[in-house]
Amino acid sequence: AQSVTQLDSQVPVFEEAPVELRCNYSSSVSVYLFWYVQYPNQGLQLLLKYLSGSTLVESINGFEAEFNKSQTSFHLRKPSVHISDTAEYFCAVSDRGGSYIPTFGRGTSLIVHP
Amino acid sequence: DAGITQSPRHKVTETGTPVTLRCHQTENHRYMYWYRQDPGHGLRLIHYSYGVKDTDKGEVSDGYSVSRSKTEDFLLTLESATSSQTSVYFCAISDKASWNRGYTFGSGTRLTVV
Repeated sequence: AQSVTQLDSQVPVFEEAPVELRCNYSSSVSVYLFWYVQYPNQGLQLLLKYLSGSTLVESINGFEAEFNKSQTSFHLRKPSVHISDTAEYFCAVSDRGGSYIPTFGRGTSLIVHP
Repeated sequence: DAGITQSPRHKVTETGTPVTLRCHQTENHRYMYWYRQDPGHGLRLIHYSYGVKDTDKGEVSDGYSVSRSKTEDFLLTLESATSSQTSVYFCAISDKASWNRGYTFGSGTRLTVV
């Protein structure tokens, strides 16, 4: 079984500042990792994913995440945030070769202030 | 979200009454899931389906039942609603051929049990 820990329930930041949302996971097998974003009153949308290959993955809107196997982490970063990035962010992990059903973290609310 | 709709979007019901939520997809995906989202808990899996008439329990299945009589519809039933089932319910779909693109989520149903 796998688990996901998102250490920060809320991250306030000013516009154009950098941000990091932390995600740590535990699993006895190799994993796939995902970040989802949820804007107010909407469902979740896939932001980016790590399946294999390069440990640094990027999204189309400037976010990136790095898979660190030794630290079992998959932190999400953005060098300069916008007001429109205000949302809830969920990290998720699923086992390779298992049911593929992901386990979600509790979410981090990113609040971008002008 | 394109290809997946949930109904109703909002519902208020009384304790002890049965409630059925509907998830409808037009993507012909094999896998369908019901999650509940609560503050501080993130998303928790209630039930999922891996084909018509094939369903299984998730981590918080007590008090819920599901049915899937055709590929496109996945129903979640609260046999006798309780206040602890006040939550936002999300349906998601995926397919083995495209699972690595993550889930597609519906827009959610906000259920209030009074």
